[in-house]
Amino acid sequence: GQSLEQPSEVTAVEGAIVQINCTYQTSGFYGLSWYQQHDGGAPTFLSYNGLDGLEETGRFSSFLSRSDSYGYLLLQELQMKDSASYFCAVRDQGQAGTALIFGKGTTLSVSS
Amino acid sequence: NAGVTQTPKFRILKIGQSMTLQCTQDMNHNYMYWYRQDPGMGLKLIYYSVGAGITDKGEVPNGYNVSRSTTEDFPLRLELAAPSQTSVYFCASSYGTGGSLHFGNGTRLTVT
Repeated sequence: GQSLEQPSEVTAVEGAIVQINCTYQTSGFYGLSWYQQHDGGAPTFLSYNGLDGLEETGRFSSFLSRSDSYGYLLLQELQMKDSASYFCAVRDQGQAGTALIFGKGTTLSVSS
Repeated sequence: NAGVTQTPKFRILKIGQSMTLQCTQDMNHNYMYWYRQDPGMGLKLIYYSVGAGITDKGEVPNGYNVSRSTTEDFPLRLELAAPSQTSVYFCASSYGTGGSLHFGNGTRLTVT
């Protein structure tokens, strides 16, 4: 089976940089994904790392180290609208195929 | 672009009642998924499908059933509803295993 660990809460101020860590245990690895969810809304895709290294998309970056079973999401120039929950996710191999398994999420609160 | 559409948005059930949560997507995605999300928690995989006629259990399948007769539709059936099934249910789809998940807006179910 799979397991993912990430901090439950992170707080920061506008303009700051915050890093949300994720460690995982998997029987087979198919990449690490990150999703954002605003309160009451649907999760939306942020980034995917299939190989080691850094992926950058605007103010958001994601990093993966497969040897350490570790990744992180880096949010720069924080804005109030970044207040949301952030989930890391990995694919689990089932009998029919693979499906995404999510961590419990990190609630980010950005204050002014 | 409708994407993933879930109906109903809200529903209140009495203990022991049954219902079907509807999910349809118009992106010709082969993979579809059902997740449940309890308050303040992450997403738990209920069932997933890799194509018409092929489904598999996820992390929390008990009390639910699915079918996938077409590429577009992936309904989730609740039999004998219980208070423990009070949750927000999200349907999602993806193009294969490498694609990001596209989520519907969720169905908020209360069982009393």
